[in-house]
Amino acid sequence: AQTVTQSQPEMSVQEAETVTLSCTYDTSESDYYLFWYKQPPSRQMILVIRQEAYKQQNATENRFSVNFQKAAKSFSLKISDSQLGDAAMYFCAYRGSNYKLTFGKGTLLTVNP
Amino acid sequence: SQTIHQWPATLVQPVGSPLSLECTVEGTSNPNLYWYRQAAGRGLQLLFYSVGIGQISSEVPQNLSASRPQDRQFILSSKKLLLSDSGFYLCAWEVTGTYGYTFGSGTRLTVV
Repeated sequence: AQTVTQSQPEMSVQEAETVTLSCTYDTSESDYYLFWYKQPPSRQMILVIRQEAYKQQNATENRFSVNFQKAAKSFSLKISDSQLGDAAMYFCAYRGSNYKLTFGKGTLLTVNP
Repeated sequence: SQTIHQWPATLVQPVGSPLSLECTVEGTSNPNLYWYRQAAGRGLQLLFYSVGIGQISSEVPQNLSASRPQDRQFILSSKKLLLSDSGFYLCAWEVTGTYGYTFGSGTRLTVV
């Protein structure tokens, strides 16, 4: 079964600085999708960024970018120019061929003014 | 536009009472539908998913059940709630083949 590991339960960053959240996963599949979701205090799950495994180019969405290392099964999220509104729980997720979206346990990001 | 509706937002139920949470999707057809549960301060646990009407796959065979009576309707039920059923329940949908998941706003269930 696929597993997703987020080794950082909590992270903090100063406003305007850059922070990187780590994620590793375990799979035997070659085609899959990886996601980062943000969950603010409202608990609404918001898709931040998506990466297709067959694409070598790292996905970017404005201030958010990923470092996808397929051989290492690593998928980190970089947030540049951190803003107070970025404070949230961040979840890494994996979606393979079996329709299921598997989540890591999350990283709580605090942004300090 | 494609939207997902989940209700109620908050629910307090006594132990042993029944449960029915509903999720509906608009603006798409034949979506894959999912029910997740999130315990306090923890990650999301997949409970059920459905790839079509009447097709339900269970990941957590406890006292919860799910049904999909219509293409865009997904219902989570229980005949008798347990204290351990407390949590935050999220419905999600995926347009088949797009690998993009959209979540509802969630239901906070407290069993007392």
